[in-house]
Amino acid sequence: EVKLLESGGGLVQPGGSMRLSCAASGFTFTDFYMNWIRQPAGKAPEWLGFIRNKANGYTTEYNPSVKGRFTISRDNTQNMLYLQMNTLRAEDTATYYCARSRVMDAWGQGASVTVSS
Amino acid sequence: DIVMTQTPSSQAVSAGEKVTMSCKSSQSLLYSGDQKNYLAWYQQKPGQSPKLLIYLASTRESGVPDRFIGSGSGTDFTLTISSVQAEDLADYYCQQHYSYPFTFGSGTKLEIK
Repeated sequence: EVKLLESGGGLVQPGGSMRLSCAASGFTFTDFYMNWIRQPAGKAPEWLGFIRNKANGYTTEYNPSVKGRFTISRDNTQNMLYLQMNTLRAEDTATYYCARSRVMDAWGQGASVTVSS
Repeated sequence: DIVMTQTPSSQAVSAGEKVTMSCKSSQSLLYSGDQKNYLAWYQQKPGQSPKLLIYLASTRESGVPDRFIGSGSGTDFTLTISSVQAEDLADYYCQQHYSYPFTFGSGTKLEIK
């Protein structure tokens, strides 16, 4: 069974940093692109970016809305995906999801991030 | 960025009725190299994560009931639920993965009368 489990969310002050993790299991992690998506309460999801699979050199693509502030990485020995978020703003408050594959065929349960003083 | 426009924003139907919802993209999602439309539909039930229903505009994800039907090409797409069930109460989002950044529509909220 494919499982994705996010962790690391919580409350952070504006200008602060936070790293989210996503633990993957039930599939060959290195075969898949992995995405981060966020969803503010009551709004549509927003794709943040992805990191490609082994065959495509683990390169990354980002939404310009977060490029330069957010960094996606993966630890293929631990089947872990990460999202490093810097210089956080109130508008970054959302539930953050990791999802597998370009077509996002499996999602985690989400991690809540609140940016507030 | 490709803008995805979904209509209606909400819809109330009775169980057993047919429902259609629209998704229009600001640019064609048809890739000339393989003649495929890079459009997906997701269902998000209250309090849950989104779930993939349809990809490549019309391919049903494994395990998705056959009452969910995706159609369309180019810039105009439709999700049809042939006979709505009470469990279909959810928000439905279209999303393009044709070009970066991938973008979602604003969603259609399906309510059951």
